[in-house]
Amino acid sequence: GQSLEQPSEVTAVEGAIVQINCTYQTSGFYGLSWYQQHDGGAPTFLSYNALDGLEETGRFSSFLSRSDSYGYLLLQELQMKDSASYFCAVMGYQKVTFGTGTKLQVIP
Amino acid sequence: SQTIHQWPATLVQPVGSPLSLECTVEGTSNPNLYWYRQAAGRGLQLLFYSVGIGQISSEVPQNLSASRPQDRQFILSSKKLLLSDSGFYLCAWSDPPGQNYEQYFGPGTRLTVT
Repeated sequence: GQSLEQPSEVTAVEGAIVQINCTYQTSGFYGLSWYQQHDGGAPTFLSYNALDGLEETGRFSSFLSRSDSYGYLLLQELQMKDSASYFCAVMGYQKVTFGTGTKLQVIP
Repeated sequence: SQTIHQWPATLVQPVGSPLSLECTVEGTSNPNLYWYRQAAGRGLQLLFYSVGIGQISSEVPQNLSASRPQDRQFILSSKKLLLSDSGFYLCAWSDPPGQNYEQYFGPGTRLTVT
């Protein structure tokens, strides 16, 4: 089976940097993904890490350490529109297992 | 380009009534298809996934079922709804393993069982 842990809530100031951590236990692992979901909306893909290291996409970066079963999402230059829930997800062979999500609130 | 459709957007059903939610994908062939349920303020629970026509894998024992009558059509059903079936139902598709790693979600159906 697979299980993922991430903080339930995080609050950060506009313009700041925030890191959302994710630890996982899995019996089959192909990579770690991150998704963003605004209230009432569907999740949208942010990033994917198959190998150890940092992947950068604009203001968002994602990191993976396979030996530590750990990853994080880093959001820089926070904007009010970044207020949303963020899910880490383990990619298995045919399916994805999602974490319980971290609700990020960006305050002025 | 690929698009995914789900309907209806919202649904209010009494306990004990049947359910049928439909999801269709355009612009791709032989996708993997998924049904998720999300309770208010919670994570996504994988209910079913399908790697081909007529091939359904169930992740959680429940009173729901899924079918894939065509390559790009995925249907979620129930014969008798329970109060606990309320939630936000999301359909998603992805390319087969090895081609891509991103899941693309439909707009979702918000189901309230009364």
